[in-house]
Amino acid sequence: AQKITQTQPGMFVQEKEAVTLDCTYDTSDQSYGLFWYKQPSSGEMIFLIYQGSYDEQNATEGRYSLNFQKARKSANLVISASQLGDSAMYFCAMREETGNQFYFGTGTSLTVIP
Amino acid sequence: DVKVTQSSRYLVKRTGEKVFLECVQDMDHENMFWYRQDPGLGLRLIYFSYDVKMKEKGDIPEGYSVSREKKERFSLILESASTNQTSMYLCASSYTGAVTYEQYFGPGTRLTVT
Repeated sequence: AQKITQTQPGMFVQEKEAVTLDCTYDTSDQSYGLFWYKQPSSGEMIFLIYQGSYDEQNATEGRYSLNFQKARKSANLVISASQLGDSAMYFCAMREETGNQFYFGTGTSLTVIP
Repeated sequence: DVKVTQSSRYLVKRTGEKVFLECVQDMDHENMFWYRQDPGLGLRLIYFSYDVKMKEKGDIPEGYSVSREKKERFSLILESASTNQTSMYLCASSYTGAVTYEQYFGPGTRLTVT
């Protein structure tokens, strides 16, 4: 079974609108961390935001927030007030307390339309 | 600032050549990782290392080997390059232990095997 599932291969959003990128995960660990990364066309992976499994509040970092629903095992990324520079691939990832591996989804390609 | 560097941004090799991809990190991270990234497949783990001289196979180790003689350096070796190894290769590093520690990525190497 996939540890991380991103079901949206491609998304479009109008500039200045908000967009939600979906991510569901699968783990039996009690403690785990969820991460979102951005990959522009240049190729580098940029860390955006982190949510811990025991965190009661949803994580926020500037225009990025994480809609964490533990019972549904979802960790959706919300980008508010989209900008042209937000056009990129976005990857959801998970790190479990057992082991040192990170598990990545297949990514969502976001295009911001002027 | 954490820095993960990779020896080449772009590399073109011939079928059958031995190829070395080098990765260096400067944050004293215990864990280092090699991924390959292909469109629609996300990041797939080739190998990771949690300590000097230690390595673990990832999801797609066939055709690859690795070497970690020093903590800061993790090398990926293609013993006999083939055209199906044409891909983007990403190196990453992280601290061991808590799930809060994210991965830091290098800029990637785009390898073409002709």
